[in-house]
Amino acid sequence: AQSVTQLDSQVPVFEEAPVELRCNYSSSVSVYLFWYVQYPNQGLQLLLKYLSGSTLVESINGFEAEFNKSQTSFHLRKPSVHISDTAEYFCAVSDEGTSYDKVIFGPGTSLSVIP
Amino acid sequence: SAVISQKPSRDICQRGTSLTIQCQVDSQVTMMFWYRQQPGQSLTLIATANQGSEATYESGFVIDKFPISRPNLTFSTLTVSNMSPEDSSIYLCSVSGQGVSTEKLFFGSGTQLSVL
Repeated sequence: AQSVTQLDSQVPVFEEAPVELRCNYSSSVSVYLFWYVQYPNQGLQLLLKYLSGSTLVESINGFEAEFNKSQTSFHLRKPSVHISDTAEYFCAVSDEGTSYDKVIFGPGTSLSVIP
Repeated sequence: SAVISQKPSRDICQRGTSLTIQCQVDSQVTMMFWYRQQPGQSLTLIATANQGSEATYESGFVIDKFPISRPNLTFSTLTVSNMSPEDSSIYLCSVSGQGVSTEKLFFGSGTQLSVL
């Protein structure tokens, strides 16, 4: 069965500092990987995804994540965070081979950017 | 992309009653999913709803407690039956894009349910 681990439940970081949110997954088959973001009092939004091809994927707001198959990881990074990045971040996995698009979410990491 | 309308956006209900949540999509989709997000926690998949067949429930969720309808390719309902305070959560409808090249999982804005 698939599962997603996000080791850090809370990550405080100062504004303009770099951040890495860790995500590890377990699956017996090839996977698709996602990061979703939930801003305070808002719905869930897709931040970025890995489906195939380049293992480094980027979002429009400066986040990037790298798929590492050998380490079964998909860590999210940003070189310089802003106050507006304060949110809950969920890593998620979908089995590439399933007949439907079931997505399993990790427990989430709360990113707090400190001015 | 898909636009998902979910109603009601929030409700406060009495113990023992039932609430039906509606999810309307602006385009035809094959798969619709219902998730629950309990306070301070991640999303848990309740069930997958296919048009024309019974919903597929995840471990820990049963049809008697969470009956689902999927009458057509743009609409689904989730009922939370015989509610207790433990059912207080945000319930989210989501749909999958068509094909692997499209964005996975569009989410509705959610229904915030409080059970007294």
